[in-house]
Order: sequence, then C-alpha cells, then structure tokens
Amino acid sequence: DAGVIQSPRHEVTEMGQEVTLRCKPISGHDYLFWYRQTMMRGLELLIYFNNNVPIDDSGMPEDRFSAKMPNASFSTLKIQPSEPRDSAVYFCASRREGETQYFGPGTRLLVL
Amino acid sequence: KNEVEQSPQNLTAQEGEFITINCSYSVGISALHWLQQHPGGGIVSLFMLSSGKKKHGRLIATINIQEKHSSLHITASHPRDSAVYICAVRYGTDKLIFGTGTRLQVFP
Repeated sequence: DAGVIQSPRHEVTEMGQEVTLRCKPISGHDYLFWYRQTMMRGLELLIYFNNNVPIDDSGMPEDRFSAKMPNASFSTLKIQPSEPRDSAVYFCASRREGETQYFGPGTRLLVL
Repeated sequence: KNEVEQSPQNLTAQEGEFITINCSYSVGISALHWLQQHPGGGIVSLFMLSSGKKKHGRLIATINIQEKHSSLHITASHPRDSAVYICAVRYGTDKLIFGTGTRLQVFP
C-alpha cells in the first residue's frame, strides 16, 4: 500500500486566501484524523472521522476551518480565509478499528 | 498542566548507550502510543500498548497502568535513532492527547 497520501506537500499563500489540504487514507481504514503541529503547541487533533462521518471537531480552531470526507478514500481540510497564525504542518492519519495510526507525510503551510 | 508529561525534553547520547524516555499521564487511559518523528518531519508509530511490554528490534516500550507511567528504551543507540519521540494517550475515545516530545541526538 502507498500509505497515507497528502497534497500538497508544501503550500505558501497570502493572508486571506483559501487553502485546501487533501488526504487519501490507506484503503480499508475506517478512521481518519487531521492534526496540526506547531512549535508552540506541538501536535493537536483538529477533527476525526469514522466511516466518513465527523465524530469530534472540538479541536477545530474556529469557523474558518472546515473538513469534509465525501467518501472513504478522500478528505479535505479547508481554511478560509487563511491567517499567518495558521502556519503549521498539517498531518492526516488513518487507522483501522483497534489498530495503530498511520501518518501521512504532512503539508507544510506558510501563510504570509 | 499538560495531561501528558514527557522527560527529558532533550537528550544527547553517545553511540551505543542505553536510552530511556519517560511518559506520565494523569487519568486512566485505554491505550498509549509511542511515535517517532525524524528531522524530515514524518511521523511513524512505534508502539501501541495498554499493558505490559512490547519489543521491536532495539526498541522496548513498557507501561505501568497503576503508576500511570510508560517508558521507551533504546538499546545500543545509533545516530540514526536521532529523532523526536512523542508519547500520546487515548482516554477511552478515539482522540489522542500528545506529549511535547523528547528530542534525542545520538553522536557517533
């Protein structure tokens, strides 16, 4: 299997622009997680899905962030409008029930 | 106060040394994970455990449920072990709470 796939790997944008991050989980995994990592706060869970349904989005910072999972093989995390404080590495991870998580390579976002 | 505490924050070692990284948590958990993050940024799950001990190559993870404590040991450390090691706990739901990480550098 190719592992968890994320795109883009790097994104540089200007404040106010819309940013869309994409994730393809490992086939057969029914859980998908979006994390954010910053120097100040470390790794934080933003939202996770089970069988394509959002289960807990309490980590989503504010209304500017939204996430969708239209099918079992694709999820998006959108930031609109983006702000400099959103600069971070965003990781997607997936797993099967009861098993460990597999992380994607991350998307490094810089908002100028 | 962070629910997951790791120590030490930074660790340097000479190649071949035995290394221990500690993790303490505050409430009952359903599972504990040890993750490794290399300088390139990728995160790999090393262990998931809820009791006892697990071993994979030169890595050993232990957990003491009563004391709410886990350790990650690296035997015969090597420069390629240099990375950030992150402890994460799951409190009965599917959410992981992460420690702040331990930065390990192993010198030849």
